[in-house]
Amino acid sequence: AQSVTQLDSQVPVFEEAPVELRCNYSSSVSVYLFWYVQYPNQGLQLLLKYLSGSTLVKGINGFEAEFNKSQTSFHLRKPSVHISDTAEYFCAGGTSYGKLTFGQGTILTVHP
Amino acid sequence: ETGVTQTPRHLVMGMTNKKSLKCEQHLGHNAMYWYKQSAKKPLELMFVYSLEERVENNSVPSRFSPECPNSSHLFLHLHTLQPEDSALYLCASSPNGLTYYGYTFGSGTRLTVV
Repeated sequence: AQSVTQLDSQVPVFEEAPVELRCNYSSSVSVYLFWYVQYPNQGLQLLLKYLSGSTLVKGINGFEAEFNKSQTSFHLRKPSVHISDTAEYFCAGGTSYGKLTFGQGTILTVHP
Repeated sequence: ETGVTQTPRHLVMGMTNKKSLKCEQHLGHNAMYWYKQSAKKPLELMFVYSLEERVENNSVPSRFSPECPNSSHLFLHLHTLQPEDSALYLCASSPNGLTYYGYTFGSGTRLTVV
């Protein structure tokens, strides 16, 4: 069965520092992987997705993620964060048909 | 604006009230989903509709009753709720059965049961 695990429930970081939010997935078949961001009292907004091809995926707001098949990981990175990046981030995965499976979420807090 | 609109944005209701949450999309999607998001808990998938038929019901109490009259509209009818039902309720949609596109979410309805 497909499962998605986000390894950190909370990540505090200072403004302009780099950040990495970790996500591991399990699947025996090809997967599609996504990162979503949720600002307070809002829905989830798509940041980026990996479907196939280049393992480095660039998304909105300066975020990128790297698909690593051997480590079954899809970590999200940003080289320099802003206060406005404070939000909850969700990793999700799915196979060709069926439902997306979401991770538990990681709360990123950017301090001045 | 994501293309998925949820109303109302906020709702306060008593335990004996009956209310409905509405979700609307005009993206041409034909799968729609209700999620419950409680504080400090993972996203909980409640219901899945595909081509207007309910295809999944994840052991949700009967005080929550979904309705999908057409592929553009999804409702969640609420009655005799409990305080622990207070949460953010999210609607999402996707092209039927294809995870390739991901889901498009609405902004949610913040429900408070008093």
